[in-house]
Amino acid sequence: DAGVIQSPRHEVTEMGQEVTLRCKPISGHNSLFWYRQTMMRGLELLIYFNNNVPIDDSGMPEDRFSAKMPNASFSTLKIQPSEPRDSAVYFCASSYTGAETQYFGPGTRLLVL
Amino acid sequence: RKEVEQDPGPFNVPEGATVAFNCTYSNSASQSFFWYRQDCRKEPKLLMSVYSSGNEDGRFTAQLNRASQYISLLIRDSKLSDSATYLCVVNEDGQNFVFGPGTRLSVLP
Repeated sequence: DAGVIQSPRHEVTEMGQEVTLRCKPISGHNSLFWYRQTMMRGLELLIYFNNNVPIDDSGMPEDRFSAKMPNASFSTLKIQPSEPRDSAVYFCASSYTGAETQYFGPGTRLLVL
Repeated sequence: RKEVEQDPGPFNVPEGATVAFNCTYSNSASQSFFWYRQDCRKEPKLLMSVYSSGNEDGRFTAQLNRASQYISLLIRDSKLSDSATYLCVVNEDGQNFVFGPGTRLSVLP
């Protein structure tokens, strides 16, 4: 079975540009999570969806960040405009509500110059 | 105060040693607990769940102390392949997983 799929795997962009990260959760999972990981702050939850509905977006840093989940098999995290401090690894994870395990995608390594 | 705290390490131990990590959490209403493992430049992966009665999986033993709000992970007979970062994870409301900062382990030959 395919795991969580993320694209792109690496992204290098210039400050001010729009960045869109994509995630395809495991089929049948109904919860989806976006995380950001840096050396300084560790793994931070940005937002999570349940049945395609955003449940908690309190971790989204500011208005420059937005996330959507138009259907059960696709989600995007958008940063507009991007800034150097957004450089991090962004992970998407999915699970089935009530299950014990989250499954993480391989992550997108973002570098904003 | 952070919700989930861990000693960042690094813990440098020789092969065959026994090593233990602790993790404390602040929300007494937390429902479930886990240890995840993250290898360098990889995604986190579930190592084991932590049950109230304690549980063991091969060389790994996890324990939960709800009264003191801490979780532990014991690794016996450590292997080179155990070198990784170990993340303590607390599920507070059945959906939201809160990750600790991780403890880095290096097992040396």
